[in-house]
Amino acid sequence: SAVISQKPSRDICQRGTSLTIQCQVDSQVTMMFWYRQQPGQSLTLIATANQGSEATYESGFVIDKFPISRPNLTFSTLTVSNMSPEDSSIYLCSVGRVPTEAFFGQGTRLTVV
Amino acid sequence: AQSVTQLDSHVSVSEGTPVLLRCNYSSSYSPSLFWYVQHPNKGLQLLLKYTSAATLVKGINGFEAEFKKSETSFHLTKPSAHMSDAAEYFCVVTFTGRRALTFGSGTRLQVQP
Repeated sequence: SAVISQKPSRDICQRGTSLTIQCQVDSQVTMMFWYRQQPGQSLTLIATANQGSEATYESGFVIDKFPISRPNLTFSTLTVSNMSPEDSSIYLCSVGRVPTEAFFGQGTRLTVV
Repeated sequence: AQSVTQLDSHVSVSEGTPVLLRCNYSSSYSPSLFWYVQHPNKGLQLLLKYTSAATLVKGINGFEAEFKKSETSFHLTKPSAHMSDAAEYFCVVTFTGRRALTFGSGTRLQVQP
C-alpha cells in the first residue's frame, strides 16, 4: 500500500489568488494523478503527472489554470490559479498500479470567496 | 470510450435489511472495476475490486459485488445494512493500458434505524 499526505487539508482563499497543493507519497511511484470533486459531484481526473515530463491534462483542464510540478518520484504539486468560486472543490492526489490498486490522499478542501 | 453509470443517486434502507447499489459500465476492453466508499469528511476507501479473476468479489465490511459481463454490470450488495454503512459509494472503471480511473456519479446510501 501507499500512504499519501496532502497539504493543506483545507483552505479558504480570495478570488483571483492561487493555491498550491502538495502531495507526498511514502514510496516512489511512476505516475501521480490529480482529481477534482466539486460539491455533491463525483471525481473528475484533472491530469496525470509523470516525473521528468509535462503533465497530461484531461479535456476541459489546461496547464495555465492548473499547473503541475513533479520534481521527483515521491512528490507533486497542483496549483489552482486565478481562482474563482467555481474552483471550490476537493482536490485529491492519487497513486497506484492501476488497474490493480489505487490509493488516495485525504484531499484538500478548497473554498474560494 | 469507457464510462460507468450508477443507476441510483440515493438509496435508503433500514438497518438490518439488504443493500443493493447498482452499477453498469461501458468499455471496449476488458475492464477492471472497483467500488470505493467515502464517509463524510473522510478520504476514499477501497471496498473491493475486480481484475479478471473470480467474478464474485468479496470486499471489506461484508460487501461483495458480482461482475456480469453479459449484463455489463457490477452491482454492490450487502446482506444486512449497518448504520455505519451510511456514506457515498462510487463505482469506478478502468482498463489495461489506462492508468487513471473513471468514476461514476456516486450513490448516497442512507441507513434508517
